[in-house]
Amino acid sequence: DQQVKQNSPSLSVQEGRISILNCDYTNSMFDYFLWYKKYPAEGPTFLISISSIKDKNEDGRFTVFLNKSAKHLSLHIVPSQPGDSAVYFCAASHKTNAGGTSYGKLTFGQGTILTVHP
Amino acid sequence: DGGITQSPKYLFRKEGQNVTLSCEQNLNHDAMYWYRQDPGQGLRLIYYSQIVNDFQKGDIAEGYSVSREKKESFPLTVTSAQKNPTAFYLCASRWLGAGNTIYFGEGSWLTVV
Repeated sequence: DQQVKQNSPSLSVQEGRISILNCDYTNSMFDYFLWYKKYPAEGPTFLISISSIKDKNEDGRFTVFLNKSAKHLSLHIVPSQPGDSAVYFCAASHKTNAGGTSYGKLTFGQGTILTVHP
Repeated sequence: DGGITQSPKYLFRKEGQNVTLSCEQNLNHDAMYWYRQDPGQGLRLIYYSQIVNDFQKGDIAEGYSVSREKKESFPLTVTSAQKNPTAFYLCASRWLGAGNTIYFGEGSWLTVV
């Protein structure tokens, strides 16, 4: 059962334009979401995250939007640069104890290959 | 420098052999994780540990074993029982205090020959 899905295996964008990467989830217990960027043969690097108490989080060229009712999140990259070409993974997690201070394991989507053309 | 160190970067294994992948972190993180990535697939959790001397199975634990004798170290053994071990293995860690961002090592390529 794929609880986190990235339905677009690849995305191609022109330099300077907006890249929009999408992610859907099915588990309503998820309350924290992250995006990672990965180059071939390297470990993923953390990009940006969002808690379910927010619907938007921005960091420089990267903005993540969360639509809880649709169980959907998206990552916007504006403007896109050739160096952004990589695989992007979304991930989700939920609280593991009543106090809510400890989070459980991350569940990852399949990834989307972003190619930004000069 | 603080970080997560995985070794070796590339490893070849003969059929029927056990191999151990090393993961060390000096970030003072509480929790450590092992993920596996196959071509065209996402990251799948093998095992994780939130405290020393304790660990839990992830989604694909069969054919793998781990230990957590020290906070800094979380080695993964790929046993001969793992039917399809050729993959890219990623170790990760995080601090349990707040937030849920995990940080990854550079990965280890395991190829069965």
